[in-house]
Amino acid sequence: AQKITQTQPGMFVQEKEAVTLDCTYDTSDPSYGLFWYKQPSSGEMIFLIYQGSYDQQNATEGRYSLNFQKARKSANLVISASQLGDSAMYFCAMRDYQGGSEKLVFGKGTKLTVNP
Amino acid sequence: NAGVTQTPKFQVLKTGQSMTLQCAQDMNHEYMSWYRQDPGMGLRLIHYSVGAGITDQGEVPNGYNVSRSTTEDFPLRLLSAAPSQTSVYFCASSTGQEAFFGQGTRLTVV
Repeated sequence: AQKITQTQPGMFVQEKEAVTLDCTYDTSDPSYGLFWYKQPSSGEMIFLIYQGSYDQQNATEGRYSLNFQKARKSANLVISASQLGDSAMYFCAMRDYQGGSEKLVFGKGTKLTVNP
Repeated sequence: NAGVTQTPKFQVLKTGQSMTLQCAQDMNHEYMSWYRQDPGMGLRLIHYSVGAGITDQGEVPNGYNVSRSTTEDFPLRLLSAAPSQTSVYFCASSTGQEAFFGQGTRLTVV
């Protein structure tokens, strides 16, 4: 069964520094997708970045980049130049394409705190 | 550009009551799903649909019912609310590399 592991319950970073949030996954399917979401204290789920299993290059979206290491089954999120507004919960998720479905399996999340 | 619209935002139910959480999307996505979020457990899949007329169970389907009569709408019904269903509920709509969520419904069952 597909599984997402986020081993860091909480992370702290100084404003303007970079931070890496860890995510490892487990799947036997060669075709899959990986997502990162941000959940601020207001509760909504905000899509940040996507990486497909066949993508040759690491995905980037502004200050967000995904460090995709397929052999290690890791998909870490890198946030450059942290801002106070980056303080939030961050969830890694994997899309399971088996059987024609598109289920998302989520990790338990990492709470990021950006200090001034 | 509404995206995924989920209502209500807050709801308090008494044990045994029933209700429907509404979800609508305007992106013409075939795939829609419902998740619940509990503290320390991330999001867990309740039910999903790969298109109008097709639904299937997720990881935690007991106590919930869904239907998909149109591409746009995917309501979630609580048949007889229980305190264990106190949670935050999210509807999602997705295709390919996109997966968008509604604003969430905070449900309390007393």
